[in-house]
Amino acid sequence: EPEVTQTPSHQVTQMGQEVILRCVPISNHLYFYWYRQILGQKVEFLVSFYNNEISEKSEIFDDQFSVERPDGSNFTLKIRSTKLEDSAMYFCASSDDRGWETQYFGPGTRLLVL
Amino acid sequence: SQQGEEDPQALSIQEGENATMNCSYKTSINNLQWYRQNSGRGLVHLILIRSNEREKHSGRLRVTLDTSKKSSSLLITASRAADTASYFCATDARNFNKFYFGSGTKLNVKP
Repeated sequence: EPEVTQTPSHQVTQMGQEVILRCVPISNHLYFYWYRQILGQKVEFLVSFYNNEISEKSEIFDDQFSVERPDGSNFTLKIRSTKLEDSAMYFCASSDDRGWETQYFGPGTRLLVL
Repeated sequence: SQQGEEDPQALSIQEGENATMNCSYKTSINNLQWYRQNSGRGLVHLILIRSNEREKHSGRLRVTLDTSKKSSSLLITASRAADTASYFCATDARNFNKFYFGSGTKLNVKP
């Protein structure tokens, strides 16, 4: 069964460093998302992406964040200058061309900012 | 506004018993979904129920939706130790671009 994959599974970085989190969505899906979950808290929406542009973003998704679909398979989240409070599990999700149908989530990348 | 608040926050049952978790939300939705998350792991999609549906089954799972009360319930029948996980409901708030998640119900099934 197709699944969303994410790399790396864990990343440790120093405050102020740039990180790029990578995701490979399910191949026939057209809608892509990033969510994050700070330890012990809710899963929070960050951004949605369709047709090579951001569809919607939350207030969390400030100028330090960017997303890109550099080729036909990868979907990346870049944090330009990480802060301690960016430490969280980051989930990528994708859904098919029906947009608001089921979002399938990847296993997540656990980011720790020191 | 917040969507998808689950209760109880934690539930501990014996293997073989049924587990019922509830979710309440505040605004109109297109659909509501339930996900499971094992500790520190990813979110696994369990079931989607549309706003025009009242009940849906999938294996040992039964989901109900009452749009008049803005609430949903997830019933897991004949629970197993492997069902131990956190369960989240997620609503779209009639916005297809994102889901709102609740805080989850932490289910512990004792063998």
